[in-house]
Amino acid sequence: DTEVTQTPKHLVMGMTNKKSLKCEQHMGHRAMYWYKQKAKKPPELMFVYSYEKLSINESVPSRFSPECPNSSLLNLHLHALQPEDSALYLCASSQVVGELNQPQHFGDGTRLSIL
Amino acid sequence: SQQGEEDPQALSIQEGENATMNCSYKTSINNLQWYRQNSGRGLVHLILIRSNEREKHSGRLRVTLDTSKKSSSLLITASRAADTASYFCATDSSSGTYKYIFGTGTRLKVLA
Repeated sequence: DTEVTQTPKHLVMGMTNKKSLKCEQHMGHRAMYWYKQKAKKPPELMFVYSYEKLSINESVPSRFSPECPNSSLLNLHLHALQPEDSALYLCASSQVVGELNQPQHFGDGTRLSIL
Repeated sequence: SQQGEEDPQALSIQEGENATMNCSYKTSINNLQWYRQNSGRGLVHLILIRSNEREKHSGRLRVTLDTSKKSSSLLITASRAADTASYFCATDSSSGTYKYIFGTGTRLKVLA
């Protein structure tokens, strides 16, 4: 079992739907990340939160809206997605941002399919 | 562009053999990490090597780092079927952008 929990595991949605992905960790980590991963490709960084504040946005389209309600939770709100957004969305956490000599802990991801 | 390029892209070996995969990167780094990803799962951290280290061991894993060549290798000794997975290197950037960039990955298949 991973220490980072993501829900749902699978999500199928139409292009006009609004849905949210959720991520939770109870390791006391203050840095949380969203990655997008296409099949047979490496994870691509989308967003980084540090102490509940957005610190990095990798020029992600506005149809993806991240939210960090508290130090344990990270959400990714989805609206008007495109078929090319179908991918595995991974959440990760680490102790703090800015100290790069530490591992990231990943959840098992949400498999998203856009119809 | 990707910070890390890995080779081979895919590797198939027999159980008990050693597996070596390589990672090359482009800019100066503070440290390099290796991760494993089983099919349909998240990434699992394997080992971290700092820029001032040349070699590191963890169980059946041996990682080397050559900063002059901007390359690292991961050796898995006495492989097992359970080692079947994708392996990614991840590099930070000494420019202080506080993020990791993952290499292209090596898909390892260990045949029983």
